[in-house]
Amino acid sequence: DVKVTQSSRYLVKRTGEKVFLECVQDMDHENMFWYRQDPGLGLRLIYFSYDVKMKEKGDIPEGYSVSREKKERFSLILESASTNQTSMYLCASSLGTLHQPQHFGDGTRLSIL
Amino acid sequence: AQKVTQAQTEISVVEKEDVTLDCVYETRDTTYYLFWYKQPPSGELVFLIRRNSFDEQNEISGRYSWNFQKSTSSFNFTITASQVVDSAVYFCALTRGGGGNKLTFGTGTQLKVEL
Repeated sequence: DVKVTQSSRYLVKRTGEKVFLECVQDMDHENMFWYRQDPGLGLRLIYFSYDVKMKEKGDIPEGYSVSREKKERFSLILESASTNQTSMYLCASSLGTLHQPQHFGDGTRLSIL
Repeated sequence: AQKVTQAQTEISVVEKEDVTLDCVYETRDTTYYLFWYKQPPSGELVFLIRRNSFDEQNEISGRYSWNFQKSTSSFNFTITASQVVDSAVYFCALTRGGGGNKLTFGTGTQLKVEL
């Protein structure tokens, strides 16, 4: 069965810290995604990766970066955390074939104090 | 640009009632796919259905059914005889152009099913 695992369910960090959110998938999927989910705004795409070491900006990349050194792992980095980055972060993966459904992790609820 | 509108922010029903969740989309693509996902309180989005733009047949899966109407750019989701376990946030999504299986999501509809 498909499994996307996010390293933390809840995380509390301080303003200015560098924060790493990790995501691992076990399905050999080519595509991986990072979203943030905020009330009334739905899911917004932060970054997307279609292959190892390849990345593409999504709709709201400012303040974030990503790393994909191995196919199964996709990391989201908050370079200098700010309070407006308090949110639910969702990782997803999909096959590289067009129009395949995305499979999601449980999410990380991140609070920046 | 693509857009997905889920005008119903929150719906409350009593168990065993039927309920329809609306989804209206905008796209200039001639080929596209629509999806529905369910997000229970645990947080993980669960894939429910995918429909391509050339297939307007309605789909039924148990108590779930989907009505795709290209003429009105709608892809509505009906739950028949709702149950408490159906309580969740439901998202409608649309494929974007440019490959990579990127999606544009609606803002979601919170469904509460009460006893």
